[in-house]
Amino acid sequence: GAGVSQSPSNKVTEKGKDVELRCDPISGHTALYWYRQSLGQGLEFLIYFQGNSAPDKSGLPSDRFSAERTGGSVSTLTIQRTQQEDSAVYLCASSLTGGLSTEAFFGQGTRLTVV
Amino acid sequence: DAKTTQPNSMESNEEEPVHLPCNHSTISGTDYIHWYRQLPSQGPEYVIHGLTSNVNNRMASLAIAEDRKSSTLILHRATLRDAAVYYCIPSNDYKLSFGAGTTVTVRA
Repeated sequence: GAGVSQSPSNKVTEKGKDVELRCDPISGHTALYWYRQSLGQGLEFLIYFQGNSAPDKSGLPSDRFSAERTGGSVSTLTIQRTQQEDSAVYLCASSLTGGLSTEAFFGQGTRLTVV
Repeated sequence: DAKTTQPNSMESNEEEPVHLPCNHSTISGTDYIHWYRQLPSQGPEYVIHGLTSNVNNRMASLAIAEDRKSSTLILHRATLRDAAVYYCIPSNDYKLSFGAGTTVTVRA
């Protein structure tokens, strides 16, 4: 079946512009996560959704970052007034539930470059 | 989150087993031990997870020490496709905290 789909796969934007990154999770998965990976760095947790609610937004680096999820499915990560330090690969993952031992399925990521 | 220690890198020959150690001495009693891997230019991929008993699946085996302070991921016969960064992640909730992992290189 289809895995986690992210779009666009690559995005180049000018500093100061807003960007939207999209994630289509696996159908039926109630939990959705956003991570980012800067060049040569490990993965950094950003936000967790359970259904349409986001009980954990602790990883969002600033108020320029926001995310929403609608219909318990698609999620959008928005970065306002992009900065060069926002350049990274943004990864979305979903899992059947948000439980202790559920497997998370990751998308291929969106590579964001801020110039 | 439990702190983990993994070797920075390991090399293996194709068709040979690979044993990847992970120390997690501060693991809590409710933490599962998850292993993920990340192939070049791809998102992480689930490998295996366990709580106390050793676990096997089609990809690998996970051997968990009796005191749970360490674990070893075993790839039984390495292939070129197994070249990746392998992450050991103790977790008792939805959040996965990725460290630096172990970069595995497989020689043909």
